[in-house]
Amino acid sequence: TQLLEQSPQFLSIQEGENLTVYCNSSSVFSSLQWYRQEPGEGPVLLVTVVTGGEVKKLKRLTFQFGDARKDSSLHITAAQPGDTGLYLCAGARGKLIFGTGTRLQVFP
Amino acid sequence: NAGVTQTPKFQVLKTGQSMTLQCAQDMNHNSMYWYRQDPGMGLRLIYYSASEGTTDKGEVPNGYNVSRLNKREFSLRLESAAPSQTSVYFCASSELGQGVYSNQPQHFGDGTRLSIL
Repeated sequence: TQLLEQSPQFLSIQEGENLTVYCNSSSVFSSLQWYRQEPGEGPVLLVTVVTGGEVKKLKRLTFQFGDARKDSSLHITAAQPGDTGLYLCAGARGKLIFGTGTRLQVFP
Repeated sequence: NAGVTQTPKFQVLKTGQSMTLQCAQDMNHNSMYWYRQDPGMGLRLIYYSASEGTTDKGEVPNGYNVSRLNKREFSLRLESAAPSQTSVYFCASSELGQGVYSNQPQHFGDGTRLSIL
């Protein structure tokens, strides 16, 4: 049973565009993590959000945890080719549960 | 600092063959995990070890066994490989990982790409 659904599954955009990735669930999580995975490597943690409604910024990336702690979003401003990769959300609920993933391709 | 090291990086097996995937971490972490990654399904937990001496089933344990050899090492064994086990396997570790500590970050190896013919 997949508790965390991400959308879109694939995203292909031009350099300079903005984008938002969504991570949704019907379950409540104590915290939500976002990872980025590049080809041939393992996922690397980007950020952890803990409080409902929390917003964290990491340069051009903005992460938000939903008020009810059931969903999260990742917004990238002015995407660059270096942002290309697989983005995974993961919710903490006794164990860490990973989302289905969003594969982002940014073309120069 | 190596972090999490997985061996081998690639492997091709025939149906019915057995093999063991090795994982070692040098961060003195208590908890270790094995995941498989398939297209469109994110990461699914196979087995985990909350601390040395303990192992527990995850979401998709059938066809696999694990051994927590010591605090550093956690191996995954396929006793009789099946084509459905073709996947990319990731090992991860965290300082603690159960219950209230499940929000701790996990550190991943670079994966083992396994094909079963």
